[in-house]
Amino acid sequence: GAGVSQTPSNKVTEKGKYVELRCDPISGHTALYWYRQSLGQGPEFLIYFQGTGAADDSGLPNDRFFAVRPEGSVSTLKIQRTERGDSAVYLCASRGQTGGGYTFGSGTRLTVV
Amino acid sequence: AQRVTQPEKLLSVFKGAPVELKCNYSYSGSPELFWYVQYSRQRLQLLLRHISRESIKGFTADLNKGETSFHLKKPFAQEEDSAMYYCALSGTGNTGKLIFGQGTTLQVKP
Repeated sequence: GAGVSQTPSNKVTEKGKYVELRCDPISGHTALYWYRQSLGQGPEFLIYFQGTGAADDSGLPNDRFFAVRPEGSVSTLKIQRTERGDSAVYLCASRGQTGGGYTFGSGTRLTVV
Repeated sequence: AQRVTQPEKLLSVFKGAPVELKCNYSYSGSPELFWYVQYSRQRLQLLLRHISRESIKGFTADLNKGETSFHLKKPFAQEEDSAMYYCALSGTGNTGKLIFGQGTTLQVKP
């Protein structure tokens, strides 16, 4: 596609439920990043994929968070046993050649009630 | 520790006035610095990066390693510059992950 697509754009879930957030990067972009942006804060790094592998997952806050990118294109961020503190905008970005700029998606706004 | 600090949450100026959005960083190495902008109801997008040394939409930013700063400047603000601005740092290595500041809202009044 022409840009980075994230679905759903909004997700409301109950505390304790499982959610999946999807990111469809720009075709051919090998690098994919997930960030989380809480209200009033800048984006915070969660995980980076180079191809199919998670090259850096140091930003995942705990083991309730997991992400996959099985075919090196679409990625899914999975959150188990959601908590109210997980409420945030989850941003995905992709990048082509090393050193090139990011292209961000419009984000998924997750609200845990 | 790697950190980006934007001391102002809100900067309000009148149209035609000069603008300076402050950014200071902490990094033990040679970082790459960026400014990202988010206009109302739009996605985050790259404004400029220090290695390009270019001017985008009249904005410039110079990396000052001595002061560990990367302030964003524009001599004459326009109403369409009103947006949220984020300073970000990318460290050495190939991951390319970014560390963002908290952001500054620029409000340009008519």
